[in-house]
Amino acid sequence: DSGVTQTPKHLITATGQRVTLRCSPRSGDLSVYWYQQSLDQGLQFLIHYYNGEERAKGNILERFSAQQFPDLHSELNLSSLELGDSALYFCASSFLSTGELFFGEGSRLTVL
Amino acid sequence: SQQGEEDPQALSIQEGENATMNCSYKTSINNLQWYRQNSGRGLVHLILIRSNEREKHSGRLRVTLDTSKKSSSLLITASRAADTASYFCATDTASKLTFGTGTRLQVTL
Repeated sequence: DSGVTQTPKHLITATGQRVTLRCSPRSGDLSVYWYQQSLDQGLQFLIHYYNGEERAKGNILERFSAQQFPDLHSELNLSSLELGDSALYFCASSFLSTGELFFGEGSRLTVL
Repeated sequence: SQQGEEDPQALSIQEGENATMNCSYKTSINNLQWYRQNSGRGLVHLILIRSNEREKHSGRLRVTLDTSKKSSSLLITASRAADTASYFCATDTASKLTFGTGTRLQVTL
């Protein structure tokens, strides 16, 4: 158990809908990272927050947004969903803005 | 986009043999890390090597880093069936940790 909690574990929704994925980092960790893993794109870095502030942005679509709250949990919002958004979404946390990451078990999103 | 690319994409060996995976990357890095992923599960950190280090050991793992060639290798010695998983290198640059394409390792009895 990494100590990182992601909810929901599985989510099935329709095209055009909006979903929110939630991540609780390990106790004391200030950094939260979001990744998307799909068969054709591999593990793609989406965004990194450190202590509430955005630190780095990767290949995150405009339809996607994220934030980190004062209690350090984070949410990834995906809107106007398309079939291609079906993937495993991982959250990871670390104490600093660099170094070893601890991954959650992921949220599997299926868009029908 | 992927910063790192692992080679080979897939590797099948017998228990007791050594497994070597290679990673090449494109830009300057702060450190390079290796992770393991069992099918559909979260990634687990294995080892971190800083840009000023050339070699690091952890148990049955040995990692090398050649910054002049922008490459790293992960050696797993005396492999076990439980080592079957996907292995990813990840490069740490400017608050981003970017993962490679991964090597699928199959260890058979």
